[in-house]
Amino acid sequence: KQEVTQIPAALSVPEGENLVLNCSFTDSAIYNLQWFRQDPGKGLTSLLLIQSSQREQTSGRLNASLDKSSGRSTLYIAASQPGDSATYLCAALNYGQNFVFGPGTRLSVLP
Amino acid sequence: DAGITQSPRHKVTETGTPVTLRCHQTENHRYMYWYRQDPGHGLRLIHYSYGVKDTDKGEVSDGYSVSRSKTEDFLLTLESATSSQTSVYFCAISESGGTGDKPQHFGDGTRLSIL
Repeated sequence: KQEVTQIPAALSVPEGENLVLNCSFTDSAIYNLQWFRQDPGKGLTSLLLIQSSQREQTSGRLNASLDKSSGRSTLYIAASQPGDSATYLCAALNYGQNFVFGPGTRLSVLP
Repeated sequence: DAGITQSPRHKVTETGTPVTLRCHQTENHRYMYWYRQDPGHGLRLIHYSYGVKDTDKGEVSDGYSVSRSKTEDFLLTLESATSSQTSVYFCAISESGGTGDKPQHFGDGTRLSIL
């Protein structure tokens, strides 16, 4: 059974800093991995989806990488801004299964 | 933003009453999902649908039923609500489900309190 973990649970950084959020999964035979952000009281917003054949995906200041052999994905946020403050969740998909979500990392970017 | 509407957005009800939550999509996506989100447990799948009248159980399906009579609507029913079902419920949609490369998109959630 796939299990997904995210460390740290919470992170606080000053504005302008580059940062990395981590996502680990136990079953490396994943089909794809998706990163989301969730603002308080809101639903999840899809950020990036990396297919198993890809190593990374980029969208603006965000870059997500995938290393299946080590069971890890990272989300890199460049030049962080207070508006980036949110909870970031990753979700792993094994073929024919459903997404399994990590518990999230709560990010605070301080002005 | 994906066209997903959840209703109601907030509901307070009493133990033992039936409750139905609605998810409506305008994207014509085949797959629809119901999740609950609880502190310490994260997002857990309740039920999902892979087409009209085609549904299956998720990780935490006990006490819940679903129906999908139209592509655009997916209903979640608590037949007799219990306090343990107090949670935030999210609907999600996807074009490709577990066999494709399309992302999931989420609604804004329904906050349900059972007293």
